[in-house]
Amino acid sequence: SQQGEEDPQALSIQEGENATMNCSYKTSINNLQWYRQNSGRGLVHLILIRSNEREKHSGRLRVTLDTSKKSSSLLITASRAADTASYFCATDGSNSGYALNFGKGTSLLVTP
Amino acid sequence: NAGVTQTPKFQVLKTGQSMTLQCAQDMNHEYMSWYRQDPGMGLRLIHYSVGAGITDQGEVPNGYNVSRSTTEDFPLRLLSAAPSQTSVYFCASSQGLAAGRTQYFGPGTRLLVL
Repeated sequence: SQQGEEDPQALSIQEGENATMNCSYKTSINNLQWYRQNSGRGLVHLILIRSNEREKHSGRLRVTLDTSKKSSSLLITASRAADTASYFCATDGSNSGYALNFGKGTSLLVTP
Repeated sequence: NAGVTQTPKFQVLKTGQSMTLQCAQDMNHEYMSWYRQDPGMGLRLIHYSVGAGITDQGEVPNGYNVSRSTTEDFPLRLLSAAPSQTSVYFCASSQGLAAGRTQYFGPGTRLLVL
């Protein structure tokens, strides 16, 4: 079953602003990942944070993880129009072999 | 490396027809999965494989079969297509636990069942 739940479902900002998306999950995890999907394309891995990490950076991306609250956030700083996409969090589930449990995604629109 | 490839890109079927969605990866990944993506539903796991000869069911396996005869290929078979199987299908491969199960996705197959 889907474990991650992103919030908000949709987000619209202007170029240069920061975008924050949140993910909540239900059971314990080993790691949490964020993926991006451009319209009509497959998902692309952005960043992975392990359960013993609290924060991780990659370029303009910052991910936090709070295992006590079972939540994560993805911050995109200084957004660009090219960041327009859907963003998904994914967790490793105990009942899905080596596949991941994906949330429903946040649709981000960055306008010039 | 081509990564994960999927064919066809688009397909229209009539109810009751069968077809096979092809998926191949050239990264020597042991683990492969099939997901379907529907509006408002996110990605749901159909079937997965942890190695050649080993497959298992995911969240929504009914109406689909898989096999894994080689490390590279993981075809998904629709036995008797139904309109409820209209969706976008994604194949993914991963290196497994050491890499945090990071998934590499194919470009997807859009399927319309009439």
